[in-house]
Amino acid sequence: DQQVKQNSPSLSVQEGRISILNCDYTNSMFDYFLWYKKYPAEGPTFLISISSIKDKNEDGRFTVFLNKSAKHLSLHIVPSQPGDSAVYFCAVTTVGTYKYIFGTGTRLKVLA
Amino acid sequence: EAGVAQSPRYKIIEKRQSVAFWCNPISGHATLYWYQQILGQGPKLLIQFQNNGVVDDSQLPKDRFSAERLKGVDSTLKIQPAKLEDSAVYLCASSLVPEGGGNNEQFFGPGTRLTVL
Repeated sequence: DQQVKQNSPSLSVQEGRISILNCDYTNSMFDYFLWYKKYPAEGPTFLISISSIKDKNEDGRFTVFLNKSAKHLSLHIVPSQPGDSAVYFCAVTTVGTYKYIFGTGTRLKVLA
Repeated sequence: EAGVAQSPRYKIIEKRQSVAFWCNPISGHATLYWYQQILGQGPKLLIQFQNNGVVDDSQLPKDRFSAERLKGVDSTLKIQPAKLEDSAVYLCASSLVPEGGGNNEQFFGPGTRLTVL
């Protein structure tokens, strides 16, 4: 059972434009959401997170939006830069369990 | 601050052989995770430790996989005997246990890429 889905396996965006990566989850018990970025031959690195009590969290060029009713979150990168080219994973958890479920990933390519 | 260390980085074995991976988490991180990442998929949790106790090993194939975290610091993951479908990247991650509850980000090591022939 796929509790967390990233339906776009890949995305190409022109440098300077907005990148939008999407993630859907099935269980309303999840209340904390994270995005990780992964470069080849490296482990994932934490990018940004959001609690279910919020619907938006910003950190520089990165913004995560949460739509609890739709069980959907998205990551916006503005403006996109070539160094943002990587695989992006969303992850979900229930606070206090410290157990994370990851999506399948979206490979972002930012074209110079 | 040193990150999560893993070794080896790459390993090639034949099916039915055994293999072991080692992980040294960030100092002070109580929680340690082992994930399996098959090509084209997201990391899948195999086992989660809190200090040296197992919190969750529900997705660990216990007939062939084993893991331990002696003294609540380093951890080893073993596969014996290996199957072709075990070819994957094995990621170790660690995190703090936040005071007062809540969640905290995980820090991942570079992973061990296992190829089973």
